Formats: sequence, structure tokens, C-alpha cells
Amino acid sequence: QSVLTQPPSVSAAPGQKVTISCSGRSSNIGNNYVSWYQQFPGTAPKLLIYENDKRPSVIPDRFSGSKSGTSATLGITGLQTGDEADYYCGTWDSSLSAGVFGGGTKLTVL
Amino acid sequence: EVQLVESGGGLVQPGGSLRLSCAASGLTFSDYGMSWVRQAPGKGLEWVANIKKDGSEKYYVDSVKGRFSISRDNAKNSLYLQMNNVRAEDTAVYYCARGAKSFGYWGQGTLVTVSS
Repeated sequence: QSVLTQPPSVSAAPGQKVTISCSGRSSNIGNNYVSWYQQFPGTAPKLLIYENDKRPSVIPDRFSGSKSGTSATLGITGLQTGDEADYYCGTWDSSLSAGVFGGGTKLTVL
Repeated sequence: EVQLVESGGGLVQPGGSLRLSCAASGLTFSDYGMSWVRQAPGKGLEWVANIKKDGSEKYYVDSVKGRFSISRDNAKNSLYLQMNNVRAEDTAVYYCARGAKSFGYWGQGTLVTVSS
């Protein structure tokens, strides 16, 4: 049982938009920055979004992040088959004094 | 180019010990907090521990407290994870990552298998 809650899977057609939610509580998302990671099978995760809504320079602007209260959302527009991967949200939990991740969401581009 | 290269993984018996290392290059290592994150086979990511850039503070997930110890040597650009009294549930790929709370770069991971 992960501290942060993500849907196990989402799907959409190529070219469409998808959102992935990440739900937490005040001790984690509510009072700390959220990051998002993309992971392809057999490879290390890659940072997509940091500080809720900032993108590293190498990440295309098709990827976006937002946060409201104790929830965060990753958005991906112009879906490509190459976006099929697992996506994780992560943050710090001030009550646990520990890092926490969501359980991960598998994106399928139909 | 930032590179993080883990080593030290392998097969270890329950109750045994293992020391993981992470060699960093392409960054000013002493400017960054560092973390270990693990992923059990077929499972999601789990944060394990982090250490501040000067080594002054360390934090651990509850399940490894008292058994694992994170450390660093800024002169050698290296991060370590000493794993003692390992359990079957510690079986995972262990990643070294730059950052204490957000992880901008990751190593390729090293597999730790705990089995008799």
C-alpha cells in the first residue's frame, strides 16, 4: 500500500491527451513539492517534472505538472506510442521524514 | 554528462551483509544531497534513504532503520549503502539518485537478491 495513490493504469489513443492523478495528504503533497518520473521496462526512472510543474530542459512541453491541495496531476498531450511506460509521482512526507512514491501508473497508448 | 554507477549488488543470504557503492561523475558531488531508491521485481519504486550534501543528516524508510546505513565520501565522489541483517523483502534493484527529495539523475541500478 503506497502512501501516494495513483490509478494503476490509464489509456488513450495516439495524439490524444491523458492525465494521471496522484493523491496524498497534507504531510506530503500538501506541504512539499511533487516530482514525476517516467520508467520504461528494464531501465532506470527518468525525471519528468520537479517542484510540481517545472520541466528539465530535455523534457518536451507535451508533459506538464500541476498541484492543488493534496493532489497532483501529470498531463501528457499529443500522445505517442513511445510514451507507453510506467509513471510515478513522488514527494517528501514531513510526518514520516521519508520520501514517498505513488504505486505507479501504466500508460497504454492504444 | 552526469553519471552515477552503482556496484556491489549480488546474492546474499538472509541475515547477511552487503555494501553498495555509487560512483558519481560529471557533477560537483558535494553540492547535492543523494538518495537510494529500490524497486522489487515487478513492483513500484520505494525510497530507501537519503543523506545531505555534507553528510550531516540522514533519513531512512522505517523498514530498513537499524539495519541499513547510508554514507558518503565527497573526496571520492562516492555514495554508499551498508546493508546488514538483510531479509528476503530487501530483494530489489537498488538505484543511486542525485537529490534528497527530488531525483534528477539515476544510476542504472544494482540487483540485490536475498536468498538461501
